[in-house]
Amino acid sequence: DTAVSQTPKYLVTQMGNDKSIKCEQNLGHDTMYWYKQDSKKFLKIMFSYNNKELIINETVPNRFSPKSPDKAHLNLHINSLELGDSAVYFCASSQPLAGYQETQYFGPGTRLLVL
Amino acid sequence: EDKVVQSPLSLVVHEGDTVTLNCSYEVTNFRSLLWYKQEKKAPTFLFMLTSSGIEKKSGRLSSILDKKELSSILNITATQTGDSAIYLCAVVGGSEKLVFGKGTKLTVNP
Repeated sequence: DTAVSQTPKYLVTQMGNDKSIKCEQNLGHDTMYWYKQDSKKFLKIMFSYNNKELIINETVPNRFSPKSPDKAHLNLHINSLELGDSAVYFCASSQPLAGYQETQYFGPGTRLLVL
Repeated sequence: EDKVVQSPLSLVVHEGDTVTLNCSYEVTNFRSLLWYKQEKKAPTFLFMLTSSGIEKKSGRLSSILDKKELSSILNITATQTGDSAIYLCAVVGGSEKLVFGKGTKLTVNP
């Protein structure tokens, strides 16, 4: 029973292309996230959605556009891919409790390689 | 700006050793501190520590939060090769998002 799933797991593409990564969670959580993990293993938040509404948007190039068709899905579309976009992208979800941030459950990650 | 610093950055031990990993933080309106274990891919959750739960234990792993010192430690006793991983510390403050440290890479040799 997969809690947070991402597709594809691996993505190899050429510079300049447009690609999408999909994320789905079956935990009934209200909040979903996209993280980027660079080659140094450092995780950095990119976006957060709560019930389909954008609540966190870090300083991320406009080429990155998240889309949440419903609260169980948060997709990431990337336009005009650049070499520096190569990284592992993690999706996560959580169910915030009053006053506290609940544990985030991570997907398996999508390894993106831009050539 | 919220900040999390982990030390050491890497650590090599032998099976059976006990290790202590450190995490210190600066965050506005602290809410919680989380420890994750990351092997090859996604981090997996270990512990969450809050003002109302400053000590957690699960098997050979335990963690303590020191709100006065703005820090936490993760202890692993009787280490095994399967404990080899990157251990990530993250805090949640008023912004309600996880701010991660850079991790401690633990290698347990047989």
